Amino acid sequence: ETGVTQTPRHLVMGMTNKKSLKCEQHLGHNAMYWYKQSAKKPLELMFVYSLEERVENNSVPSRFSPECPNSSHLFLHLHTLQPEDSALYLCASSQVNAGTDTQYFGPGTRLTVL
Amino acid sequence: GQNIDQPTEMTATEGAIVQINCTYQTSGFNGLFWYQQHAGEAPTFLSYNVLDGLEEKGRFSSFLSRSKGYSYLLLKELQMKDSASYLCAVRVVGRDDKIIFGKGTRLHILP
Repeated sequence: ETGVTQTPRHLVMGMTNKKSLKCEQHLGHNAMYWYKQSAKKPLELMFVYSLEERVENNSVPSRFSPECPNSSHLFLHLHTLQPEDSALYLCASSQVNAGTDTQYFGPGTRLTVL
Repeated sequence: GQNIDQPTEMTATEGAIVQINCTYQTSGFNGLFWYQQHAGEAPTFLSYNVLDGLEEKGRFSSFLSRSKGYSYLLLKELQMKDSASYLCAVRVVGRDDKIIFGKGTRLHILP
């Protein structure tokens, strides 16, 4: 596996379900990110982990709960979501303090909340 | 506040040249990215500018003017596979270091 991988690629869940999104980066980076991409809206940064510590939480509702057990893995735990949470959830990684800090994205999880 | 503007949609013809503009009003500017995103896929990195001027990379070039808060992405010899969304993103540093994305420009290539 190379780059940034995400599973599952597609997820349909009811509002009472609990599910988790998984992201893994194989680039040796030290920072990981969760973004939400809704139709006709810019990418919205949700969480940032740098060196396995959460350094940013952009006022995301508590029904989204991130977890970063190590520098290569990032999870997004979902519970009691709302239909407006349906979107593409993108994970990214970067090497912080390495010049450009370019972010490399995974393929995303297309989430539909019924 | 932080704001990034780019056209919502553009159309161009295969083999032609197209320029996608991006203007930004941000504090703590420290670089501008362009990403390409095909429908249903992840954004992929195209270019990064931090100094004024033109950066050329094959058929794609990116220009930055920091004084004007302006950038453009120039695509030459357009191919059908260039049909995608192009995202302008600004890196800001300060109390909060982050990358802020524009809404993206959806480019349609006609044969």
